[in-house]
Amino acid sequence: QSVLTQPPSVSGAPGQRVTISCTGSSSNIGADYNVHWYQQLPGTAPKLLIYGNNNRPSGVPDRFSGSKSGTSASLAITGLQAEDEADYYCQSFDNSLSGSRVFGGGTKLTVL
Amino acid sequence: QVQLQESGPGLVQPSETLSLTCTVSGGSISSHYWDWIRQPPGKGLEWIGYVHYSGSTNYNPSLKSRVTISLDTSKTQFSLRLSSVTAADTALYYCARGGDYGMPIDYWGQGTLVTVSS
Repeated sequence: QSVLTQPPSVSGAPGQRVTISCTGSSSNIGADYNVHWYQQLPGTAPKLLIYGNNNRPSGVPDRFSGSKSGTSASLAITGLQAEDEADYYCQSFDNSLSGSRVFGGGTKLTVL
Repeated sequence: QVQLQESGPGLVQPSETLSLTCTVSGGSISSHYWDWIRQPPGKGLEWIGYVHYSGSTNYNPSLKSRVTISLDTSKTQFSLRLSSVTAADTALYYCARGGDYGMPIDYWGQGTLVTVSS
């Protein structure tokens, strides 16, 4: 069971907007640690998609955005495209048990 | 552009020690945090631990008793050792570059599959 909770799957039609939630607790997201998001396309390594809650690395389209509030964070994807079909993971830091990086369980995005 | 490449045996016997090495190129190893992350087949990501260039380490509490991560700056490599492995340790193992507690993991290796089986 992951420290950060994500829905197992979400779906949307091309052009639509989808959001993926990431719920933590007072020892991670609620302790004001940054949340990062990774995209894992089939058969490839994860790629950094959003860092520091709402920042995009160079080359990531502005269709992807992140937000954080309280003990939760969200990833939003607008103008959904077929190539967005992938697994998405949130990641933060947890200060319990001497501190460690923690991941969400991952969300499979299906483009209908 | 920083690149990371994992290497090591693809098959490990139960109860033995899994050993992997990550070679870093295109950037200095004498900074940042150097992580190991794994992904069992069909499952999500699990952080194993990291080594800082200073030599300090931090491990996932659930694996801490079995894990050692070390750094060889002269060879621009860092390594993972996981002892007393079982079938549950079968996974795709990634090496990666991270930052301090608030920073992301910004570069990943391609991953190497390690199967624990007799």
